[in-house]
Amino acid sequence: DGGITQSPKYLFRKEGQNVTLSCEQNLNHDAMYWYRQDPGQGLRLIYYSQIVNDFQKGDIAEGYSVSREKKESFPLTVTSAQKNPTAFYLCGSRQVGTGELFFGEGSRLTVL
Amino acid sequence: AQSVTQPDIHITVSEGASLELRCNYSYGATPYLFWYVQSPGQGLQLLLKYFSGDTLVQGIKGFEAEFKRSQSSFNLRKPSVHWSDAAEYFCAVGAAAGNKLTFGGGTRVLVKP
Repeated sequence: DGGITQSPKYLFRKEGQNVTLSCEQNLNHDAMYWYRQDPGQGLRLIYYSQIVNDFQKGDIAEGYSVSREKKESFPLTVTSAQKNPTAFYLCGSRQVGTGELFFGEGSRLTVL
Repeated sequence: AQSVTQPDIHITVSEGASLELRCNYSYGATPYLFWYVQSPGQGLQLLLKYFSGDTLVQGIKGFEAEFKRSQSSFNLRKPSVHWSDAAEYFCAVGAAAGNKLTFGGGTRVLVKP
């Protein structure tokens, strides 16, 4: 079945450590996105990529980094510079022109 | 800049009653509008979308939404709520060109038996 796979589903890390969240899609979509979700704040865009080897900052990119070396993959690294990294992270993809954004099941990061 | 406002943070409704969730948007051109639903700890599922044409849009699970350009609104409705509709609902606005989709803060729906 086509879809978006995020891993791990749950992740615990100590303060000061970098962590990388995986996002893989087999929908053949060009564009991929990372959103952060906090209670009461909806989804906020971290980074997005419309094509391989290119990506743009979203509204809250500070403390995060991404890469897009393959069409199917868009990993997100939460660096030690991110001041409040504990959150639920959602990866999405869409085919340019259709508008609809599909989401993975999310990754919950807890920094202790 | 585009933005979405969902004025109601929580709504409690009795099972079998009707439901309406409000969404107001700000967008510089003709918007693409979406409603998503999220169960606890899960990703988001698309309920319906509006791109153009008929301003009353039908979606999955018996939901519909009406686009009102003059009011910059895209309210979601369901005539009769089921207990399984308890979830968080998000309205979103964007363009089809592949750039960002902006989400509202969400409305959490509780269903009373």
